[in-house]
Amino acid sequence: SAVISQKPSRDICQRGTSLTIQCQVDSQVTMMFWYRQQPGQSLTLIATANQGSEATYESGFVIDKFPISRPNLTFSTLTVSNMSPEDSSIYLCSVLWAFYNEQFFGPGTRLTVL
Amino acid sequence: GIQVEQSPPDLILQEGANSTLRCNFSDSVNNLQWFHQNPWGQLINLFYIPSGTKQNGRLSATTVATERYSLLYISSSQTTDSGVYFCAVKPTDSWGKLQFGAGTQVVVTP
Repeated sequence: SAVISQKPSRDICQRGTSLTIQCQVDSQVTMMFWYRQQPGQSLTLIATANQGSEATYESGFVIDKFPISRPNLTFSTLTVSNMSPEDSSIYLCSVLWAFYNEQFFGPGTRLTVL
Repeated sequence: GIQVEQSPPDLILQEGANSTLRCNFSDSVNNLQWFHQNPWGQLINLFYIPSGTKQNGRLSATTVATERYSLLYISSSQTTDSGVYFCAVKPTDSWGKLQFGAGTQVVVTP
């Protein structure tokens, strides 16, 4: 399985600011995803991070709010822009281990917006 | 899109008890995974089981793809089994996206 790390693990931010979350994988993977988990809720897919091209966003999520970069097959970033308290969530990076068709998740970034 | 329903939503167990969690899905899938989210938020892969039966220690899972459901069995539960259990599926016509159920919150008391 892939080893996935995320930075930061948690942060407390002021409204109106932006935070960039990093996701690093220990091997090359084709598909990387970003999920959001709001308090007490299940996981919701934000977007698929595509290497070398623009991310593919799910309904309800836009690039201006959640810009994503994926410069290579082992790294991606998610920025949460112009934050409000409603953005307080756990943000998780995920990769698809294509050979086994199994998805793995990073440890998550716990974000609190005041 | 595909619907994923988990039951029960909450479960309180005494240590040593057995339990069954259920996941129903509304369309054909080529991936079904069970996860355990511990109290620190980490998602732990339990099973990749689009069909058939698997066992790992005190946990086992069965997916009947033709009837569109999966079961997760916890035997001889321990306090470390507490947390939220998620079922997630990938529809056959999807190219990667996992759709999550709402989860089952499990509390194991000493």
